[in-house]
Amino acid sequence: QKEVEQDPGPLSVPEGAIVSLNCTYSNSAFQYFMWYRQYSRKGPELLMYTYSSGNKEDGRFTAQVDKSSKYISLFIRDSQPSDSATYLCAMSAGNYGQNFVFGPGTRLSVLP
Amino acid sequence: GAVVSQHPSWVICKSGTSVKIECRSLDFQATTMFWYRQFPKQSLMLMATSNEGSKATYEQGVEKDKFLINHASLTLSTLTVTSAHPEDSSFYICSASVSGGANEQFFGPGTRLTVL
Repeated sequence: QKEVEQDPGPLSVPEGAIVSLNCTYSNSAFQYFMWYRQYSRKGPELLMYTYSSGNKEDGRFTAQVDKSSKYISLFIRDSQPSDSATYLCAMSAGNYGQNFVFGPGTRLSVLP
Repeated sequence: GAVVSQHPSWVICKSGTSVKIECRSLDFQATTMFWYRQFPKQSLMLMATSNEGSKATYEQGVEKDKFLINHASLTLSTLTVTSAHPEDSSFYICSASVSGGANEQFFGPGTRLTVL
């Protein structure tokens, strides 16, 4: 079993849809959870950074963490074609990034 | 803020030559920089962690004599791929951390290396 698993997609949705992206993990020591967006041939961009369980909202993006289920989600409301990218979850065991690991990424395509 | 640049953005070289890639933090000082490699449709694989003024820490399976990393200042780290071969062709991405940890990394735009 990989340490972090993510459906690779591609996931295609119509413009305006609510998108749900998910990661599962096996290491119960992970406490810090991040979501990155990566456009083709570009470096990743940090979207959300959360600690422990709970929700965090930033504009159209909401990150959820359920540590009991070892499951994290990123929701995108009112999705736009410009949201088309690969979304990578990442997590670590400490605030200094101990045991930092990326998920494999989910390719999202928002169709106009 | 938190802008990281990489140079060159792409490079094509002959097998056996060496290639240097620069990573710069433009508007902040980065105690720690990270180097990743990404193959098509795959996630980022950490190659090494670089702290200013000290030797880089390489991940298991990464040849330190082949991938030379120098972090001479708080705003510049370089990765040199020595005696490059076609299997080294990949997308190389650096990142820099303000805090020194990996949780809040700011990534460069990447360098596409093609070895003929």
